[in-house]
Amino acid sequence: DAGVTQSPTHLIKTRGQQVTLRCSPKSGHDTVSWYQQALGQGPQFIFQYYEEEERQRGNFPDRFSGHQFPNYSSELNVNALLLGDSALYLCASSLGSRNPNEKLFFGSGTQLSVL
Amino acid sequence: AQTVTQSQPEMSVQEAETVTLSCTYDTSENNYYLFWYKQPPSRQMILVIRQEAYKQQNATENRFSVNFQKAAKSFSLKISDSQLGDTAMYFCAFGTYNNNDMRFGAGTRLTVKP
Repeated sequence: DAGVTQSPTHLIKTRGQQVTLRCSPKSGHDTVSWYQQALGQGPQFIFQYYEEEERQRGNFPDRFSGHQFPNYSSELNVNALLLGDSALYLCASSLGSRNPNEKLFFGSGTQLSVL
Repeated sequence: AQTVTQSQPEMSVQEAETVTLSCTYDTSENNYYLFWYKQPPSRQMILVIRQEAYKQQNATENRFSVNFQKAAKSFSLKISDSQLGDTAMYFCAFGTYNNNDMRFGAGTRLTVKP
């Protein structure tokens, strides 16, 4: 049983560019959450997708957007990249029918470097 | 707003000994979850242990146990018989029943020495 998979594992972009990160949830899961983990800090909640809709959003600008597909996989898009967007981006999946925070399964993340 | 504080940026312990990691949190909620996650060099966050606030009994998972003090808003993690594989970043996290925004502390880097 595959767990949460994220691609790519590493990415280097320059300021002003746009980036798309991808996540496939654990088999049987229908909810995907995205977190940003800056160096030396804990993860910060970006948003959560359930039934192809953004269910909740954290304190992130509109440059951060997402999408969930019918197969429950998800994409995180960041436009107009800033140096401060350099971070590890983690995807977590769960079952939306229950309290989604009860048990999150995380992927290994995408390390984004903005030069 | 909910906040999570981990006051120990780094800790070390000898193999086979016991270590306790500290965490405090602030919330006005009465019902919530508390978690400890482990993040090894592979970067994947792995759930170590979970505590529901309405349960008075402290959670245990094999060598891992917590000391949950609801009134003091304290949630420490005890690792017994430490193993080299326990070397990792440990994050304390807080979640509520009606909010999907899980809050994490800044983490404690634990090194288990042979």
